[in-house]
Amino acid sequence: SQQGEEDPQALSIQEGENATMNCSYKTSINNLQWYRQNSGRGLVHLILIRSNEREKHSGRLRVTLDTSKKSSSLLITASRAADTASYFCATDAKGYGQNFVFGPGTRLSVLP
Amino acid sequence: EAGVAQSPRYKIIEKRQSVAFWCNPISGHATLYWYQQILGQGPKLLIQFQNNGVVDDSQLPKDRFSAERLKGVDSTLKIQPAKLEDSAVYLCASSRDSGFEGTQYFGPGTRLTVL
Repeated sequence: SQQGEEDPQALSIQEGENATMNCSYKTSINNLQWYRQNSGRGLVHLILIRSNEREKHSGRLRVTLDTSKKSSSLLITASRAADTASYFCATDAKGYGQNFVFGPGTRLSVLP
Repeated sequence: EAGVAQSPRYKIIEKRQSVAFWCNPISGHATLYWYQQILGQGPKLLIQFQNNGVVDDSQLPKDRFSAERLKGVDSTLKIQPAKLEDSAVYLCASSRDSGFEGTQYFGPGTRLTVL
């Protein structure tokens, strides 16, 4: 199975609601990053959280990291139709081998 | 600043043919990455360059894929010969930082269809 896996695979919410996506990974990491991909703007970096950090904020985004559980969550508050996209977590794994791995993504639909 | 440029945007070829993709990173970015994204999946790192040297090509199918980054700026990714399973979007990204410590900026991608 993959290093990073997002949950749920798909999420549909109403505008104004909050959206939470989770990411689990298997190996020790240097950092974990969240990306958004839609047809309009392509793949865009959202936020990077390092292994010694527990929480980061950027605008309406809040990311948490629990290295003991090897998991991260992305919270989007007060969602907008423009937030409709696929969201991926990517892990920068420590050591050699396949160092930077994207999960399969969560498809978020924000309905007006 | 200008973003990462890629060409062509779309390419359709027959299996066993050859194809090449071009990438021009953001000016001043030393690190360049090529990813393969199959429909419904996350991007998969194929190769990472630091200036014109290869840092990691462990996921590159070297029997058919090759990549180069001459003069540490533009890069080309080639597939020869192509297989049906190579149908995917090929993304190029660049970063000011080395490794995976910083923000990667992605180009629009080249959508390859192998018939």
